[in-house]
Amino acid sequence: AIQLTQSPSPLSASVGDRVTITCRASQAINTALAWYQHKPGKAPKLLIFDASNLESGVPSRFSGGGSGTDFTLTISSLDPEDFATYYCQQFNAFPQTFGPGTKVDLK
Amino acid sequence: EGQLVESGGDLVQPGGSLRLSCAASGFTFVRYSMNWVRQVPGEGLECLSYISSSGRTIYYTDSVKGRFTISRDNAKNSVYLEMNSLRVEDTGIYFCARERTRDGFDIWGQGTMVTVSS
Repeated sequence: AIQLTQSPSPLSASVGDRVTITCRASQAINTALAWYQHKPGKAPKLLIFDASNLESGVPSRFSGGGSGTDFTLTISSLDPEDFATYYCQQFNAFPQTFGPGTKVDLK
Repeated sequence: EGQLVESGGDLVQPGGSLRLSCAASGFTFVRYSMNWVRQVPGEGLECLSYISSSGRTIYYTDSVKGRFTISRDNAKNSVYLEMNSLRVEDTGIYFCARERTRDGFDIWGQGTMVTVSS
């Protein structure tokens, strides 16, 4: 199975900060990567698909990039509602593995 | 927009069985592949099983292979997860999720809690 690692974890930040989360795949996956936001008691929410495409309805402060094995999720200016756990997921091969998650909390 | 509602979670003893259901509404169910995802308390998300729109292609992650069975009934707009030989480590919240053409899980249910304990 393709393994995904994420860094940093956790990530402590303040409202207004620019934050970047990194996801690294154990083998090349082209751009077959998605990012999700997950808050306790809620369903995960798709933010980015195909590594860099913003899901409809997601604020433009979220952006994704990368290809091959190295990917990033960037929040340009952290909003209070952005404190959550973020997961990457690969779609290059089954099983469609998730990364371990990066919890973004208040500094 | 589309909605998924899971049911069937319960407290069960180790070695027991449980059947989870996921009812879809608001979209053309037969067009989409579906997945079951688990979150163990205090841990991350784990993709357990995938079923294609027709039901002909199925995948399982190694930790549930041979114990869990995914199925779907397109006439009832539902997907199921039959879980046998349950272990304490199967405890968690089970989500069903719609897969959009191999690029993301765009609709999720709220989850159903499974507790395996004696």
